[in-house]
Amino acid sequence: AQRVTQPEKLLSVFKGAPVELKCNYSYSGSPELFWYVQYSRQRLQLLLRHISRESIKGFTADLNKGETSFHLKKPFAQEEDSAMYYCALSCATGANSKLTFGKGITLSVRP
Amino acid sequence: NAGVTQTPKFRILKIGQSMTLQCAQDMNHNYMYWYRQDPGMGLKLIYYSVGAGITDKGEVPNGYNVSRSTTEDFPLRLELAAPSQTSVYFCASSYPSSAAYNEQFFGPGTRLTVL
Repeated sequence: AQRVTQPEKLLSVFKGAPVELKCNYSYSGSPELFWYVQYSRQRLQLLLRHISRESIKGFTADLNKGETSFHLKKPFAQEEDSAMYYCALSCATGANSKLTFGKGITLSVRP
Repeated sequence: NAGVTQTPKFRILKIGQSMTLQCAQDMNHNYMYWYRQDPGMGLKLIYYSVGAGITDKGEVPNGYNVSRSTTEDFPLRLELAAPSQTSVYFCASSYPSSAAYNEQFFGPGTRLTVL
């Protein structure tokens, strides 16, 4: 069975500090990984997907199959990055893409 | 487009009462999902649907029922509310695509308390 582990519940940093939100997964097949974000009083929304290899709002995430990790990183945190972040795994075959979410981590960026 | 809408926003139920959480989307998405979010537990999939008339159980389906008579609507029914069903419920939808590019669009959530 697939599983997503986010080992920390809360990360508090000062503005300008680097951020790394950890995500590890367990899946025997070829995983598709995502980061979703929920800002205060907003809907949960997709931040980035590993297949796109993109930087969104300064965040990047690299899939490391050897370590089964997909950590989210940003070199210089901003106050507007404060939010709840969820790592998610899709391991569907075919088009039925269910997501398995981690427990989430709250990122707090202090001025 | 309104995207994914959910009603009500808040509800308090007594044990044993029943209710239906409404979810609608106007993006013509085939796939729809219901999740519950408990503090510190992330999102758990309750039920999902890949199209009108087709539904299937997720990870935590007990105590819930769903139907999908149209592409747009995907109501979630609680028949006998229990305190363990106190949670925030999210509906989501997505367009069929490969797993790698799938993006789910979420509603604003319904906060349900069962007393």
